[in-house]
Amino acid sequence: EDQVTQSPEALRLQEGESSSLNCSYTVSGLRGLFWYRQDPGKGPEFLFTLYSAGEEKEKERLKATLTKKESFLHITAPKPEDSATYLCAVFDNYGQNFVFGPGTRLSVLP
Amino acid sequence: EAGVVQSPRYKIIEKKQPVAFWCNPISGHNTLYWYRQNLGQGPELLIRYENEEAVDDSQLPKDRFSAERLKGVDSTLKIQPAELGDSAVYLCASSRNNNSPLHFGNGTRLTVT
Repeated sequence: EDQVTQSPEALRLQEGESSSLNCSYTVSGLRGLFWYRQDPGKGPEFLFTLYSAGEEKEKERLKATLTKKESFLHITAPKPEDSATYLCAVFDNYGQNFVFGPGTRLSVLP
Repeated sequence: EAGVVQSPRYKIIEKKQPVAFWCNPISGHNTLYWYRQNLGQGPELLIRYENEEAVDDSQLPKDRFSAERLKGVDSTLKIQPAELGDSAVYLCASSRNNNSPLHFGNGTRLTVT
């Protein structure tokens, strides 16, 4: 059975203090790993897709990386508007569905 | 392009009452999903449609939940009768095809009292 865990559960950063969020997964055959951002009262918003180990994607202050067992979302010099819950999800070969992790709740203080 | 539209945004009902949620996906998206999200958790799949066909409803509690997607476009999710444990946010998402990134609506927050 596919499993996705995320750590830490919650993270508080000062503005400008860089850090990383972790997404660990076990899946029968990974077809893609997806990162989403979710603001309170909103649906998740797509950020990145990673398909193979070693792949990296960047968008503004965010950079996502992928290994065979985990993915990291690096946040460089975060701003208060980066505060949100960050979800990762895997899509496998067998189940043909997305399995989401519980998310990391990020707060960036000014 | 217009996003995924869901209604209502909020619903408060008493237990044992019926409730229905509506979703209009992004135009041209063949795959439609209904997810349930509890507080502090990630979305969990209830049902996935490919056009009009429900291709995965293994996680749908069929004794009280039902869904339909008429003409392969809009979809409704119904609960009858609702239980206290059904309180959650119900999210609809669509994608061009399976394995493409999901585009979510803003959800319906259901409170069962």
